[in-house]
Amino acid sequence: DQQVKQNSPSLSVQEGRISILNCDYTNSMFDYFLWYKKYPAEGPTFLISISSIKDKNEDGRFTVFLNKSAKHLSLHIVPSQPGDSAVYFCAASGWGDNAGNMLTFGGGTRLMVKP
Amino acid sequence: NAGVMQNPRHLVRRRGQEARLRCSPMKGHSHVYWYRQLPEEGLKFMVYLQKENIIDESGMPKERFSAEFPKEGPSILRIQQVVRGDSAAYFCASSQGRGAYGYTFGSGTRLTVV
Repeated sequence: DQQVKQNSPSLSVQEGRISILNCDYTNSMFDYFLWYKKYPAEGPTFLISISSIKDKNEDGRFTVFLNKSAKHLSLHIVPSQPGDSAVYFCAASGWGDNAGNMLTFGGGTRLMVKP
Repeated sequence: NAGVMQNPRHLVRRRGQEARLRCSPMKGHSHVYWYRQLPEEGLKFMVYLQKENIIDESGMPKERFSAEFPKEGPSILRIQQVVRGDSAAYFCASSQGRGAYGYTFGSGTRLTVV
């Protein structure tokens, strides 16, 4: 039972345009959401996060939107650059027992930004 | 200021052998987490440790897998009698405090069972 889903395994975008990566979750106990970026042969690198008390968080070219009623979040990258080409993972954390200790990851979306 | 160090980066084992994966957390971090990434999948939580204590092992397979984080030295993820299905990338993360907010991941160990 996948609690965090990224339904698009890949996304191709032209340089300079907007990249939108989507993520859906099912567990209402999740209250903190993160996006990680991963290059081949490297570990995931933290990109941006959002708490469930907010619906938007912005950091430079990266903005994360959270729609709690739809249990959906998205990552917007504007403008997209070739160096953004990587696999992006959505992750969630929540409280309850030891749930706050761990992240539940989606399956990832491979973003390719074409020059 | 070294990050999370994992070694080896690549490990090849024959079926039935033991695999030992090591993780040295970032300086000042006393919380260690292990994750596994199977091919074409996301990362799955395995275990959370503090020094000399296993706090949460809800993601660990019931048999053959064990983890420790001794008072001195790195955290070790040990897989006994490896099988082909254990082939995966194993990532360690560390944090200063408890919780998923401040993870830093290592570069991972890619285990191949032949």
